[in-house]
Amino acid sequence: LAKTTQPISMDSYEGQEVNITCSHNNIATNDYITWYQQFPSQGPRFIIQGYKTKVTNEVASLFIPADRKSSTLSLPRVSLSDTAVYYCLVGATYNDYKLSFGAGTTVTVRA
Amino acid sequence: SQTIHQWPATLVQPVGSPLSLECTVEGTSNPNLYWYRQAAGRGLQLLFYSVGIGQISSEVPQNLSASRPQDRQFILSSKKLLLSDSGFYLCAWNSEDEQFFGPGTRLTVL
Repeated sequence: LAKTTQPISMDSYEGQEVNITCSHNNIATNDYITWYQQFPSQGPRFIIQGYKTKVTNEVASLFIPADRKSSTLSLPRVSLSDTAVYYCLVGATYNDYKLSFGAGTTVTVRA
Repeated sequence: SQTIHQWPATLVQPVGSPLSLECTVEGTSNPNLYWYRQAAGRGLQLLFYSVGIGQISSEVPQNLSASRPQDRQFILSSKKLLLSDSGFYLCAWNSEDEQFFGPGTRLTVL
């Protein structure tokens, strides 16, 4: 599994855009990039997944440059309820997929 | 739709006592199942995963063990708990696109 590096913490204010960048220099050709969100005392929840370029859903956008050695999760107009830990994961096939969660990025949104 | 259950939700056990945590999945067949542990303020540590009945792979040496007696049942056990076994235990399974986590069990070993 490709190792990932992301900031330990980020602070923001309500209504701002939050961008979390994850480095994965040794990503393999068939690896996908997936982001999860975890609230205290809950299991992580899938946010978004991508392979290259840009992916957008109702929650976030994921930007992946051409070399795929990094990716950026963008949370538009955050609210207090977006305070959570965000994990970046890189992995290959879906059906035999050992996810490796690092410490993640703790995002704190303030009023 | 698929659902994943874990119980108990919380557990307080003395050092040296046994442990049994149960995870069951509904709405899917032959899932890959996982046990993770999360210490306070830390990331998730993969403990065990299973690709089928009776098939268990251990990721980290420890005093815990796992079993998969049925297709959609995954059990985490210990014969003698250590203080360091305290944490938040999460069961998960894979779909094609993502991994789904159960509600977790908060274990405190005293």
